Amino acid sequence: GAVVSQHPSRVICKSGTSVKIECRSLDFQATTMFWYRQFPKKSLMLMATSNEGSKATYEQGVEKDKFLINHASLTLSTLTVTSAHPEDSSFYICSAAPPSGALYEQYFGPGTRLTVT
Amino acid sequence: TQLLEQSPQFLSIQEGENLTVYCNSSSVFSSLQWYRQEPGEGPVLLVTVVTGGEVKKLKRLTFQFGDARKDSSLHITAAQPGDTGLYLCAGARNNDMRFGAGTRLTVKP
Repeated sequence: GAVVSQHPSRVICKSGTSVKIECRSLDFQATTMFWYRQFPKKSLMLMATSNEGSKATYEQGVEKDKFLINHASLTLSTLTVTSAHPEDSSFYICSAAPPSGALYEQYFGPGTRLTVT
Repeated sequence: TQLLEQSPQFLSIQEGENLTVYCNSSSVFSSLQWYRQEPGEGPVLLVTVVTGGEVKKLKRLTFQFGDARKDSSLHITAAQPGDTGLYLCAGARNNDMRFGAGTRLTVKP
């Protein structure tokens, strides 16, 4: 299957600081990438859909000013958690959809564990 | 309210047993995917089903898409400890994809 990477895999930051998470599609160009959040022992919650060259579409209840998404190229999307608080601690996972037009075949990154102290 | 309901939520069985996990909805999907996720990792795509009534096999795993494309099942034959993980179904419709809450499977040796 397609390969999607995330960096960093783990990050610990202090409350009030910002942290950037990168998502890269390594062997295909992804016009659409997705960002999910997953709480312990829970399913994935879609945060936003990131489209290359345009603004991200955020799900209801997700603060776009807090979770900044940039999809500057066909292989890279970034999620910046601004002014992080302990409640932002979570497992963040990105996925990318190959440009076959089939939204349903998303390939996931390995996730980033964010801990805000 | 979950668009996709998965059952059971938790399942703990002995090695060698068979099991079935269900994914149900009142909505029709253009396709449905099954993923398996291990702790601390991202979900891995197992299969995509598109046609109503479709059955796909992946070694000891059998996936079925309901005739009306509203539900799906995953059957595992002779489960092994390596099958332990979180099984997620995800349905795609109207250019949107949503996940079920998952079934956490534990296979004891």
